[in-house]
Amino acid sequence: KAGVTQTPRYLIKTRGQQVTLSCSPISGHRSVSWYQQTPGQGLQFLFEYFSETQRNKGNFPGRFSGRQFSNSRSEMNVSTLELGDSALYLCASSLGPAPGYNSPLHFGNGTRLTVT
Amino acid sequence: DQQVKQNSPSLSVQEGRISILNCDYTNSMFDYFLWYKKYPAEGPTFLISISSIKDKNEDGRFTVFLNKSAKHLSLHIVPSQPGDSAVYFCAASEADMRFGAGTRLTVKP
Repeated sequence: KAGVTQTPRYLIKTRGQQVTLSCSPISGHRSVSWYQQTPGQGLQFLFEYFSETQRNKGNFPGRFSGRQFSNSRSEMNVSTLELGDSALYLCASSLGPAPGYNSPLHFGNGTRLTVT
Repeated sequence: DQQVKQNSPSLSVQEGRISILNCDYTNSMFDYFLWYKKYPAEGPTFLISISSIKDKNEDGRFTVFLNKSAKHLSLHIVPSQPGDSAVYFCAASEADMRFGAGTRLTVKP
């Protein structure tokens, strides 16, 4: 079974631009979550989607948005990029509507975004 | 707000000895807890989990302990191996999953 696939792996953008990251979950998984990883901050929760609906949202500004398609694939968009948005963005999928005891998150390898 | 905290950014142990990684949380509504392991350039991989109704779960060399009254979680690795060198994240879940900042474990041969 293929794992979680994130594209692109690396991205360099300049301040003020916008960016779209893509995530394909494991086949059969209907929940997709997004996390931002920065040194010293660990994994910060961005949002979670299940069946095309955003179920939960972390503490990030409205410049960060996402969506999920009917095939469970998800995209994350960041508008008006700032230098502080440079990070590793991780997508994870799980079977159920929320990560449960028997349904842990499975992560992709991430997209490394650098804002200059 | 950091609902899940890993106060030790790094830990170094000798091969064959025990590694103990610690994690504290503040939200008493968390109903299950997990540990993830992350190698450079890869996403975190699930290691072991525990439900809030249990206080211990064991899987091979890995044991997770939960002390609900202290809101404390720990991961024991016995015996530690050089291949265990990685960043370990603890995570806790209620409606969504929150992660600690990670502890970098180095196991020296």
